[in-house]
Amino acid sequence: GAGVSQSPSNKVTEKGKDVELRCDPISGHTALYWYRQSLGQGLEFLIYFQGNSAPDKSGLPSDRFSAERTGGSVSTLTIQRTQQEDSAVYLCASSNRVNEQFFGPGTRLTVL
Amino acid sequence: QKEVEQNSGPLSVPEGAIASLNCTYSDRGSQSFFWYRQYSGKSPELIMFIYSNGDKEDGRFTAQLNKASQYVSLLIRDSQPSDSATYLCAVIGPNTDKLIFGTGTRLQVFP
Repeated sequence: GAGVSQSPSNKVTEKGKDVELRCDPISGHTALYWYRQSLGQGLEFLIYFQGNSAPDKSGLPSDRFSAERTGGSVSTLTIQRTQQEDSAVYLCASSNRVNEQFFGPGTRLTVL
Repeated sequence: QKEVEQNSGPLSVPEGAIASLNCTYSDRGSQSFFWYRQYSGKSPELIMFIYSNGDKEDGRFTAQLNKASQYVSLLIRDSQPSDSATYLCAVIGPNTDKLIFGTGTRLQVFP
């Protein structure tokens, strides 16, 4: 079956522009997570959606970052007025149970 | 103190040896512990999870948890060059479903 998909796979943008990153979770998975991974670093938690509950936004690094999950499925992570320090790989994961998070291939964001 | 700490490595072991990867965590109330493998340029993939003190074996992999000492380890027996990757430890604290990752240990298995 299809895994978690993310688009675009690569995004190069200029400082100050807005970007949208998309995640399609595995069908039927109720939980969706966004992480960020900078070069040579671990995964930094950003935001977590679980069913119809209010999302856990505690990991978002600034108010330039926001995320939505429409219809309990697809999620979009938006970064406004991008900065060079936003350059990283943005990973999405989905799960139906806490002990099985499946990761997508990631979006590599480069801010020039 | 970081919530989840790992030695960045690299940890180099010869083919066929046992690789031992360690992780410590700061929140004593943490309940769930995970090991992910990440090949260069790829996404993490789950290898094992462990909830209870003691050992949990799955093929060549053994996860060990010691809640009193707040550490979790991963042993890889009969290491193969294909095991060369970064191994990420992740922990879920109490009252949350949020995974907190360590920075990972890079393992190199040489022929």
